[in-house]
Parts: sequence; structure tokens; C-alpha cells
Amino acid sequence: RKEVEQDPGPFNVPEGATVAFNCTYSNSASQSFFWYRQDCRKEPKLLMSVYSSGNEDGRFTAQLNRASQYISLLIRDSKLSDSATYLCVVLPGGGYNKLIFGAGTRLAVHP
Amino acid sequence: GAGVSQSPRYKVAKRGQDVALRCDPISGHVSLFWYQQALGQGPEFLTYFQNEAQLDKSGLPSDRFFAERPEGSVSTLKIQRTQQEDSAVYLCASSSPGQRQETQYFGPGTRLLVL
Repeated sequence: RKEVEQDPGPFNVPEGATVAFNCTYSNSASQSFFWYRQDCRKEPKLLMSVYSSGNEDGRFTAQLNRASQYISLLIRDSKLSDSATYLCVVLPGGGYNKLIFGAGTRLAVHP
Repeated sequence: GAGVSQSPRYKVAKRGQDVALRCDPISGHVSLFWYQQALGQGPEFLTYFQNEAQLDKSGLPSDRFFAERPEGSVSTLKIQRTQQEDSAVYLCASSSPGQRQETQYFGPGTRLLVL
């Protein structure tokens, strides 16, 4: 079983739609959680951190459920420019600095 | 300011050749990471440096992979006797104490194709 699992998609949605991505992680000791965005043939870039209390950045909302080891990302009012792969990322505990990435969920927003 | 840079951006190698991939981290960044990203997958950790010290090399897939950062800035990932399964994008990332350790800034990657 992979440490971080995501639905690969693709999610094909029209502009203006609301779309939600989910992710589960296996290591209950994991300390920090993130969503990264990766455009085609580009490097991953940090989209937002995920906190237990939930956090929002404009049209993007992230949630963490530690009991269920589950992370979500909600995108409201989708734009064409949101088309990308969204990577769920976990920072394990124990002093290790390496990031553990899911395989990513592809989003395609169409006119 | 300048981000993480990597060279070459693209490399085609014949099976059995040795390759060297270079990473220039953001100036002053203490931590440097190498990741391997296969097609359709997320990046996978290879190795981690803090300054010149290689603190974690648990992700290197075989002894054909070797990384160094002799002066604590530029790093080189070397792959000896390349195999077709080494074909991937090799990403370098750096981060700095004083920021959240987990904020890693990625370079554009080196796309390696082994024929």
C-alpha cells in the first residue's frame, strides 16, 4: 500500500464548477500536510498547507482529518488556469525532512 | 531572485552510459533534496543534504546512484551504467532554516531518457 493515495482522475469540469479532491495517508505519525500543484512538464509548487482546523485561500479550501488520516482540497468557481495535477504531500514525523507525494490528481477545466 | 536551477534540462543517454545531473540551490539554502519523478507518478525522495553532509540517502534505488554536495552549495547526482528504468525527471529542491523546513522550492528538473 502506498503511503499517500489519491484518485488519479482526470476530473473534467466546466468553468465555474466546484471540485473536491481527496487523499489518504498511512503513517499516523505524519506531522505536516500540503497540497502542491504541478503544471504539465513543470516543477511542483506549493499551493497551500493543510491544518486540522481547516484553512482557506481564496477559492481553495483544505481540510485535514487526523482520525481518519484523510486530507481534502476543495476548489470553488473553477478557472481554466486551475487545470493542473494536484499532489497531496505528507511530511512524516521522526525528524525526517523528505516529502512523501501522492501520485497526483489531474484536473482539466473546460470552457 | 533566482530560484533553484538544474542542468542539463534534458539528457538522452545510451544504456550503460554514466550521467551527471547538476543542481544549483537558492543561495543560502542549507537543505537540498533530490527526487525522482516517473511518468504519471508523484516525485519520490532520493536523498537529502544539510550543507555538505548527506544525512539521508535511503531513497537511492541502487548503488549506481551517487550524490554529493562537497562545498555545501551545488550538488551533483551521478548515475552510473544507466538503465532504461532510470528514465524519469530528476527534481532538486532546496529549503532554508528560518523558514518552515517543509517549504521546499523545486527546480525545473532534468528529464533523463535512457535508450
